[in-house]
Amino acid sequence: IAGITQAPTSQILAAGRRMTLRCTQDMRHNAMYWYRQDLGLGLRLIHYSNTAGTTGKGEVPDGYSVSRANTDDFPLTLASAVPSQTSVYFCASSDSSAGQTGELFFGEGSRLTVL
Amino acid sequence: GQNIDQPTEMTATEGAIVQINCTYQTSGFNGLFWYQQHAGEAPTFLSYNVLDGLEEKGRFSSFLSRSKGYSYLLLKELQMKDSASYLCAKMDSNYQLIWGAGTKLIIKP
Repeated sequence: IAGITQAPTSQILAAGRRMTLRCTQDMRHNAMYWYRQDLGLGLRLIHYSNTAGTTGKGEVPDGYSVSRANTDDFPLTLASAVPSQTSVYFCASSDSSAGQTGELFFGEGSRLTVL
Repeated sequence: GQNIDQPTEMTATEGAIVQINCTYQTSGFNGLFWYQQHAGEAPTFLSYNVLDGLEEKGRFSSFLSRSKGYSYLLLKELQMKDSASYLCAKMDSNYQLIWGAGTKLIIKP
């Protein structure tokens, strides 16, 4: 079944540890995004990539890094996790490099708890 | 800022109609989107408005007034499965989505 897959679905992590959230899509979408969702707040963009080989910073990029070596994969890395990074993380993709259609397809989310 | 404002929570009765409002800053506007998100699940796309007026899609309709910075999502013939959060998002001048915090809709029998 075509779609977008995230891993892990849930993780508890000690503060200071490094963590990579994986995201893979098989829809050949150019654009990919990482959001975090916290209670009472809207989805906030962390990083994005309009096409393979390029990345950009979103609204809340500090403490996170991404790479886009190919079209399908867009991993998100927390170099040294802190408790404020406890959140639900959503990866998304869209089929327009400029995101102009706006229709994002979301992964099922990764619930991260940093202690 | 880029505040997207929508009510935190609404309650409606099965079979009824409910309207969820969303207001946004009119500058740098490239479209208005609505997504549905069931608890513990991913958001899914419902509608997109870029011109003024009403877009109807089955039981769901979405309305836009660009001059007023206002949109609403209208849900008819409510079903229990419509219990979810409804997220309003504005596409800005950089074609990035700015999201509201979502409206939790509770449907009662």
